[in-house]
Amino acid sequence: EAQVTQNPRYLITVTGKKLTVTCSQNMNHEYMSWYRQDPGLGLRQIYYSMNVEVTDKGDVPEGYKVSRKEKRNFPLILESPSPNQTSLYFCASSRGINTEAFFGQGTRLTVV
Amino acid sequence: DAKTTQPTSMDCAEGRAANLPCNHSTISGNEYVYWYRQIHSQGPQYIIHGLKNNETNEMASLIITEDRKSSTLILPHATLRDTAVYYCIVRVAGGSQGNLIFGKGTKLSVKP
Repeated sequence: EAQVTQNPRYLITVTGKKLTVTCSQNMNHEYMSWYRQDPGLGLRQIYYSMNVEVTDKGDVPEGYKVSRKEKRNFPLILESPSPNQTSLYFCASSRGINTEAFFGQGTRLTVV
Repeated sequence: DAKTTQPTSMDCAEGRAANLPCNHSTISGNEYVYWYRQIHSQGPQYIIHGLKNNETNEMASLIITEDRKSSTLILPHATLRDTAVYYCIVRVAGGSQGNLIFGKGTKLSVKP
């Protein structure tokens, strides 16, 4: 089954403790991206990647890092999480930059 | 990408057709109309997209007016599981910016 898998689904962590949210897709898609969703602000793109070793900033990249060492994986790294990064995070992948996107089920992160 | 306007909320009786309008009066000739939906904090789900011709797939139909300034997403026989927020997005195909800009969408409530 074609899917985008994120882990973990839920995470509570403390300020400053590094964490990684993994994202994996099995559709051989070139384009992957991360979004965060906050009440009243909608979904905002954090980072995106057009292919292996090619990443770029989205609209809200501060406090996040990403890497794309393999085509299928696109982890989101929070080196020093802060409470304002408490949010619902979605990973997405698509065949091309402007084709239909497939989203993961989301990761609800709470930073205390 | 052109801006879209959608009603905040709509109700629909189960089994009836749900018609969700979207206004995109500033759409450019090379911009497509995409529809996604999000069921209660799950990952957004692609529904359908089109340029100027009407489109139909197993989920829905998309009717685009001749002047392309508005469109309607039709769910032919709405079920309770179609209760979700529906997003109309206008974007250029093949452009360099892959950011999906989700507005506030229309909250569709399907009632028994």
